[in-house]
Formats: sequence, structure tokens, C-alpha cells
Amino acid sequence: SAVISQKPSRDICQRGTSLTIQCQVDSQVTMMFWYRQQPGQSLTLIATANQGSEATYESGFVIDKFPISRPNLTFSTLTVSNMSPEDSSIYLCSVESPWGVSYNEQFFGPGTRLTVL
Amino acid sequence: ILNVEQSPQSLHVQEGDSTNFTCSFPSSNFYALHWYRWETAKSPEALFVMTLNGDEKKKGRISATLNTKEGYSYLYIKGSQPEDSATYLCAAILTGGGNKLTFGTGTQLKVEL
Repeated sequence: SAVISQKPSRDICQRGTSLTIQCQVDSQVTMMFWYRQQPGQSLTLIATANQGSEATYESGFVIDKFPISRPNLTFSTLTVSNMSPEDSSIYLCSVESPWGVSYNEQFFGPGTRLTVL
Repeated sequence: ILNVEQSPQSLHVQEGDSTNFTCSFPSSNFYALHWYRWETAKSPEALFVMTLNGDEKKKGRISATLNTKEGYSYLYIKGSQPEDSATYLCAAILTGGGNKLTFGTGTQLKVEL
């Protein structure tokens, strides 16, 4: 399996500020994904990030609020901009199996637990 | 809209008990179902990927079945241990859905001594 790390592991932020979350993978992967889990809700896909192209955002998520960078095949960042308490969530990055296995099997990072006051 | 439902939301069992929980999903356009185990402060860990009606998969004391005609999957844990305490997530993929995982809200399992 791929080993994925995220920074920071947790943070407490003030309303109106921004936080950038980093995701590092130990192997080169084409697609990386960003999810969030709000309290009591399911893991929800925010966007898909391919290296060398603009991220593709899911319905309800926009680039101005969640800008994503994907500078190479092992790294990505997600920024949560102009935060409000509703952004308090666990944010996870994931990658598709780098061995081209089946059915979109994904490996996840440990998550970033964000609290916005 | 793809709705993936899991039940129960949470479960407390005693060590040694066997338990099971349910994931339901729309049966039309089904492509694949994933089960993940998520311990607090750790990465969600893939348990099973299931695609065929009648599939049964097993990993140690954990097993899963799949019924694509009626749209449900069961996850079973035999002889629960405290280290099984985690949130168990299922996620479905539908054909034509861009290969995206749609997750349920999870079942939180607590195994007590």
C-alpha cells in the first residue's frame, strides 16, 4: 500500500483565516483526492487533483474556497480559505492504488482535524 | 443522487461477541463496494473491495457479503476484540458516476472488556 502523510495533523484556527494542508505520498501517483468529514456526516469528496492540470471540484465545492495545488506526482496541498465554524471537519487526502488495481481502491492519509472558532 | 446508508450508527459489544452491520446502496448501476476500517487518529484502512453478487470476502475474523440485486452488504466480526474498536465505512461506486466513492456515515464499533 502507499504511505501517505498529512500536515498538520490538527489545528485550531480563527474565523476568517486560511489554512493550507499538505499531503505527501511515498510513490508517484496520477490522481490524488481530497475529502472532508464534517461532524456526524459521511466522508465527502471535495476535488480530484491530477498533476499538471486544474483540480476537478465536486458539486458544492469551489476553487476560491478550496484552492488545490499539485506540483508533482507525490505532493498536493489543499487550502481552506476564509474559514468559518462550518469548515470544522476532518480533511483527508487519498490516492488511487499506484499499482493500477481495481475499482478505485484508495489509500488514505491520517487526516487533518480542523476546528474553526 | 447516490445514497449509501449504514446501520447501526454505533454499536457497543463485549469482548468475544460476534457482531454484524449493514451497508445499503442503490442496486441499479452498481459497480463496486468498498469497506474501510478507520481507527481514531489513523488512516482509513481498506478491508474489502467487492463487485459480484454473492461475493464473500474474509480477512481474519472479519468477513463481508454482497447482494447487488437488493443493494446491501453485511460486515461480520467474529469474536470481537478491543482492537476491533473503530469506525467501519462502506463506499459504493456506480457505473457512469466517474468512478467516485460515495461513503456512508459509518458504524462506530466499541468493543469492551
